[in-house]
Amino acid sequence: NAGVTQTPKFQVLKTGQSMTLQCAQDMNHEYMSWYRQDPGMGLRLIHYSVGAGITDQGEVPNGYNVSRSTTEDFPLRLLSAAPSQTSVYFCASRPGQGADEAFFGQGTRLTVV
Amino acid sequence: GEDVEQSLFLSVREGDSSVINCTYTDSSSTYLYWYKQEPGAGLQLLTYIFSNMDMKQDQRLTVLLNKKDKHLSLRIADTQTGDSAIYFCAELYFLGSSNTGKLIFGQGTTLQVKP
Repeated sequence: NAGVTQTPKFQVLKTGQSMTLQCAQDMNHEYMSWYRQDPGMGLRLIHYSVGAGITDQGEVPNGYNVSRSTTEDFPLRLLSAAPSQTSVYFCASRPGQGADEAFFGQGTRLTVV
Repeated sequence: GEDVEQSLFLSVREGDSSVINCTYTDSSSTYLYWYKQEPGAGLQLLTYIFSNMDMKQDQRLTVLLNKKDKHLSLRIADTQTGDSAIYFCAELYFLGSSNTGKLIFGQGTTLQVKP
């Protein structure tokens, strides 16, 4: 089983460029979320989705958009990249909204110069 | 609001016990988790505890929960070099009457195991 797949693994962007981080899961999970990981700050929730067509903001949503047109895919869009968005991004999925285990992708390391 | 705090670093010798501590602010948390992150990888669930329990043991791992003090700890017995990783405490947080639980993570504790 592939689990949660993120692409790309590494990316360098120039300030002002836009790009989409891809996340796909093959476990038919309802709940998907995006986190960013920064040194000393743990994982902070950017956006999440409780099912196809439903998304909501997390702790740090500014500068990011998401959509959930299918159960499997949950892309994260950076509209105009800024150096402050240099981070490692993780996508996670859970079967439901409750206490189920979260499965994480391998991460995307993004550098904005 | 919700907040989860951990110390950032712990160093132990191989064979010793490791204790990683975590405090949280949301008294309505129903589940608390420990995740492990190895270098260059995503997070993997190690263990979790329901808020109506005060202890859970799983092989070398012991989780202790003090609800009064909102304190969670993870003890790793007979720590091995393969246990070197970042350990994240997380709580499942429900906002108001929402039934959507959000996972809120601490900063992560880097465990260094010296041979």
